[in-house]
Amino acid sequence: GENVEQHPSTLSVQEGDSAVIKCTYSDSASNYFPWYKQELGKRPQLIIDIRSNVGEKKDQRIAVTLNKTAKHFSLHITETQPEDSAVYFCAASKSDYKLSFGAGTTVTVRA
Amino acid sequence: DGGITQSPKYLFRKEGQNVTLSCEQNLNHDAMYWYRQDPGQGLRLIYYSQIVNDFQKGDIAEGYSVSREKKESFPLTVTSAQKNPTAFYLCASSITGAGWNEQFFGPGTRLTVL
Repeated sequence: GENVEQHPSTLSVQEGDSAVIKCTYSDSASNYFPWYKQELGKRPQLIIDIRSNVGEKKDQRIAVTLNKTAKHFSLHITETQPEDSAVYFCAASKSDYKLSFGAGTTVTVRA
Repeated sequence: DGGITQSPKYLFRKEGQNVTLSCEQNLNHDAMYWYRQDPGQGLRLIYYSQIVNDFQKGDIAEGYSVSREKKESFPLTVTSAQKNPTAFYLCASSITGAGWNEQFFGPGTRLTVL
């Protein structure tokens, strides 16, 4: 089955700096890559996603890039703010029911 | 945050007891899922259901059971056969079972086995 690895497991950044989280996947048939954000004590929520026919997608301060050849994708957060502090999960899917999640990255934005 | 609810928020169980976690959604979604969240391990799929009266095992189904008698409801039973049931359990739903549909999560149930 699909195996998604996520790095780093923890990330501390100064407010205003950028944060980058990287994920690799094993199944070349995967074609959908969402990112979920889980704030402390809250439920995971989709923040951005990308499909395999697109190399990059942006939404305000967040962006996701995809390299199908290397089988990795990354989340970029620019101008980090305290409300960006959360656990971020990447995931991969082959268009069937199943999302395979990475282990998560705990991001802390220091004021 | 409305639309998908879980109860109870906290649940304590003695060893050897079965316990049922509730998940309800009013989003008219066909697909529902159960995940287990452990520190450092992400979200692992226990069971999923793409339509009423149908469900399939996920990656870690052993010791768990589900039913899907109504579109709105997808209860999870943690049986005494589950060797390490203490965890945070998340229910989710999506409009269909296709992998590209956004999954909406419930607030979760934290189960502790005493």
